[in-house]
Amino acid sequence: DTEVTQTPKHLVMGMTNKKSLKCEQHMGHRAMYWYKQKAKKPPELMFVYSYEKLSINESVPSRFSPECPNSSLLNLHLHALQPEDSALYLCASSQDKGAGLQPQHFGDGTRLSIL
Amino acid sequence: DAKTTQPNSMESNEEEPVHLPCNHSTISGTDYIHWYRQLPSQGPEYVIHGLTSNVNNRMASLAIAEDRKSSTLILHRATLRDAAVYYCILRGAPNTQGAQKLVFGQGTRLTINP
Repeated sequence: DTEVTQTPKHLVMGMTNKKSLKCEQHMGHRAMYWYKQKAKKPPELMFVYSYEKLSINESVPSRFSPECPNSSLLNLHLHALQPEDSALYLCASSQDKGAGLQPQHFGDGTRLSIL
Repeated sequence: DAKTTQPNSMESNEEEPVHLPCNHSTISGTDYIHWYRQLPSQGPEYVIHGLTSNVNNRMASLAIAEDRKSSTLILHRATLRDAAVYYCILRGAPNTQGAQKLVFGQGTRLTINP
């Protein structure tokens, strides 16, 4: 069992829908991350939050909108997605960079399918 | 981002040691070497990391070449549960933006035969 919880585990949505992915951790970590993983490929970083502020955006299209409402929660709002956005979306957390090279703890992901 | 090179796949037998190699010839002096693995249908899992000296933990050992241009992850006694994709990743020095980023390469798919 992972300490980073992602919901839902599976999501099917149409291209005109709006949905959100949720990630929660209670380890006191102040850095949180979103990754995207296509089938048979490695994870790719999308966003990094540090102390609830967006610190890295890897040039992700605006149809993906991250939000960090508090230190335990990370959301990814989805709107007008394309079929090529179908992938596994992984959330991770770690102690903040000031604490050194702490490992990232991953959830098991949300598998997203765009019809 | 510094690049790592790993074999696409490796195979080993249960209860035998496994040595997973990684080349990182462009590593900088402040880059740390991290290993993660991803079991089927799960998110990646931290395994071990090091800078210059060899490191041991309950999961594995990390052997780092003297010139730091390569490293080897050692699983001392493989089990079926160790079948996964193993990623070797370079991370920047602490308190830098590079430290926050995990840049995954293609990894090595490890198969364990019973």
